[in-house]
Amino acid sequence: QVQLVQSGAEVRKPGASLKVSCKASGYTFTSYYMHWVRQAPGQGLEWVGIINPSSGSTYYAQKFQGRVTMTRDTSTSTVYMELSSLRSEDTAVYYCARGKEDIFLVATPRSTIAYWGQGTLVTVSS
Amino acid sequence: DIQMTQSPSSLSASVGDRVTITCRASQRISSYLNWYQQKPGRAPKLLIYAASSLQSGVPSRFSGSGSGTEFTLTISNLQREDFATYYCQQSYSAPQTFGPGTKVDIK
Repeated sequence: QVQLVQSGAEVRKPGASLKVSCKASGYTFTSYYMHWVRQAPGQGLEWVGIINPSSGSTYYAQKFQGRVTMTRDTSTSTVYMELSSLRSEDTAVYYCARGKEDIFLVATPRSTIAYWGQGTLVTVSS
Repeated sequence: DIQMTQSPSSLSASVGDRVTITCRASQRISSYLNWYQQKPGRAPKLLIYAASSLQSGVPSRFSGSGSGTEFTLTISNLQREDFATYYCQQSYSAPQTFGPGTKVDIK
């Protein structure tokens, strides 16, 4: 079965950066897109971006351009999301989430988010 | 960016009720519309994809319809485990965007 296991909670000061990991298992890692979505406390869901684990190509929401970097390690079936220049508004639960469709059957922006990790709470506070 | 709206923002219902949630997109998105259920402290769960396709393992009391800019999620015969927040989301174009959510609670 599809499993996405994320790294543990993080606390950072404003201006710092952090890197969250998401280890995938139960399927062929390079065959499905991986999304990152965040949720601020008591708020709704916000899409951060997507990575193609096969090619490493990425697409980020414009809001996060210049501050976010998504990478992958195919040897360990792990994707990473690094966010820099952190501010208090970045306090949120960050989820990795696998696409439903094979990457060869769907254009990048149209991947359906189907399977979610457990979330990683990131707290930014001085 | 495509803006998604949902109505109502919250509703109270009883076990056995039929519940309908509406989602509207700010521009046409064909059938690239998905519905998620989220319970407190948990990750969202995909219920409906491509506007009307039931995700594997999801009970058949959940159904979706619509295309273009207006969509609905219907829960027939509401069960206790269905009390949660529901989000619509468009996957027509990047950035993918979510609606603000509809909280369904017990009357």
